[in-house]
Amino acid sequence: QQQVKQSPQSLIVQKGGIPIINCAYENTAFDYFPWYQQFPGKGPALLIAIRPDVSEKKEGRFTISFNKSAKQFSLHIMDSQPGDSATYFCAASNNQGGKLIFGQGTELSVKP
Amino acid sequence: EAGVAQSPRYKIIEKRQSVAFWCNPISGHATLYWYQQILGQGPKLLIQFQNNGVVDDSQLPKDRFSAERLKGVDSTLKIQPAKLEDSAVYLCASSLVPGSYEQYFGPGTRLTVT
Repeated sequence: QQQVKQSPQSLIVQKGGIPIINCAYENTAFDYFPWYQQFPGKGPALLIAIRPDVSEKKEGRFTISFNKSAKQFSLHIMDSQPGDSATYFCAASNNQGGKLIFGQGTELSVKP
Repeated sequence: EAGVAQSPRYKIIEKRQSVAFWCNPISGHATLYWYQQILGQGPKLLIQFQNNGVVDDSQLPKDRFSAERLKGVDSTLKIQPAKLEDSAVYLCASSLVPGSYEQYFGPGTRLTVT
């Protein structure tokens, strides 16, 4: 119940493509769903987050879509660039002091 | 604003040896977290501090891992004795709001146990 399942494990797209990363959860007590971006040799950095009462959130080229009934959410990267090549982690949190549960990660490669 | 600092960045030890990692969080962040990130996996929370006190250490292998946060600022994570399966990146993070999803991570310490 505390798991967040993420897919795919790796993804290769051409520059300008729209990579989509999917996550699913079981615990309905989760109330924040952030996405973190991690470059090699660096720690994860918060990219964007959404609450379950919102179906979509956009920040720049990054969009989260949220399906509360299906307990699924996804990250879309519009007009992807080689600089977006990184590992992306979805996560879930109970913001009442609960721990942050991370998915397994998706290694994205954007080819020039 | 300075980020989360960690040292050392890399450490190689033999099994059964001990090792310690240090973390200095962002100034003013009362909550500090230690995560273990095994290659190809997401970070897993080991322990969460609120100021000096432990909030959650349910996934800390207490027979070999220990952590402390003296004076509510810096923190040290220790492993004694290390096992091969402890090879991982140990990440420290901090947050302004206790238990927030908005956490700031340091660069991590890559531990290799041989």
